[in-house]
Order: sequence, then structure tokens, then C-alpha cells
Amino acid sequence: DTGVSQDPRHKITKRGQNVTFRCDPISEHNRLYWYRQTLGQGPEFLTYFQNEAQLEKSRLLSDRFSAERPKGSFSTLEIQRTEQGDSAMYLCASSVNRRSNSENTIYFGEGSWLTVV
Amino acid sequence: KNQVEQSPQSLIILEGKNCTLQCNYTVSPFSNLRWYKQDTGRGPVSLTIMTFSENTKSNGRYTATLDADTKQSSLHITASQLSDSASYICVVTLSGGSYIPTFGRGTSLIVHP
Repeated sequence: DTGVSQDPRHKITKRGQNVTFRCDPISEHNRLYWYRQTLGQGPEFLTYFQNEAQLEKSRLLSDRFSAERPKGSFSTLEIQRTEQGDSAMYLCASSVNRRSNSENTIYFGEGSWLTVV
Repeated sequence: KNQVEQSPQSLIILEGKNCTLQCNYTVSPFSNLRWYKQDTGRGPVSLTIMTFSENTKSNGRYTATLDADTKQSSLHITASQLSDSASYICVVTLSGGSYIPTFGRGTSLIVHP
């Protein structure tokens, strides 16, 4: 396993359609994060999981967004009834929860680009 | 207001020159600070990570410094190369609780030949 894998890398969808992104974290990483990033901005936190438990959600995550990590391994992020404002890159990241937080490097995937037309 | 502020917003330098990027943060209590490099259209890649007890950390031509008292960090790039053109993002993580990292907006660096 060489890193965090995201699929698809690019998605163009019509407004109102549903889209789903998948993330496969680095093996044995128990933490998985979803971020959204628009051009010229840093990544914005959406939600994170520790194992299969979704521990925190940002207020950016409206009720049209849902994330799951059913077996504590891969995760999916679904956006229902997409809007043009949802166009962004959706980044997945993973890390391992160590007792010492100094080595909790977060590894990012290459992102999934969403364009809503 | 973003709790992690970076400056400058963008920077253009000539190949071979040095540059320094700044990061000021207000999040507390502080656990660690990371610098990431993000090439256009790619995911961020970690450059350095420092805890509050560390003042400096190097990774090749990249040297990060941290002053936990003034809540400032800098990333110094030596002998810049064209491949250094990217966005450099400062990320601060709180201690205790959720450990959710807080991202700055990044500094866009362009290195010209």
C-alpha cells in the first residue's frame, strides 16, 4: 500500500444529481479525514472517523452530505442533489493515532475533483 | 477569522534564490505544527512536523522554525528550484480532544528561471 487512494479523480455532474467518492486510506491507519478545497484556499475540514466511528462533523457538512466508513477501512462521501457551489476538490487523508501526537502525520490522497454544471 | 494566518499570500522569486514563508496561529492549546507542499491539482505532501518543544526542523532545502511563545512559524527554502513552485500550507493541531488540524490558506510560490 503506497498511499491514500481516491476514486474517481475527476467527476463532472449535472446540478441535482448525486455523486459518491471513495477513499482507501493507508493500511492500519485508524483515522480518516475528509476535506474540501477550492481554488486559492486551504483545505476545509468536513468530517473525520476513528475506525468506523464518525467523531466530528463540520457545519460545512450540510444534510446533503453524508460520509460513511462501515468497516473502519475505506470510506465514502456522498453528495445528494448537487449544487454548483459544491464544485471543489474533495481530499481524503488518513493517519494513525499514536499516544505521542508528535508523529501523527496526516497523509493525503490526490483528491477528487467535482465539477457541477 | 481563520486561526492560522499565512503570509505572503503569493510570492515570485528567481531560481536559486532563498525565501521565507510565515505562519501565525492563534489556536490553543497547541500540539504540533506541520508544513505541507501542495502542487497544483495534487494532494498536500508533508514537509515537516514540529511539537511545541522543537524550535527547528529541516528536510533537505526546507527548514521550518517555530516560536511557541509568539505563536509564529516560518518555512525557509534555500536555493530554490523550479520544482518548488507550489502552494505551501501551514497546519496547526490542537492538543487534547479531537486533534482536528486547522489549515492556513497557503502561500503560493512561483519560481521563475
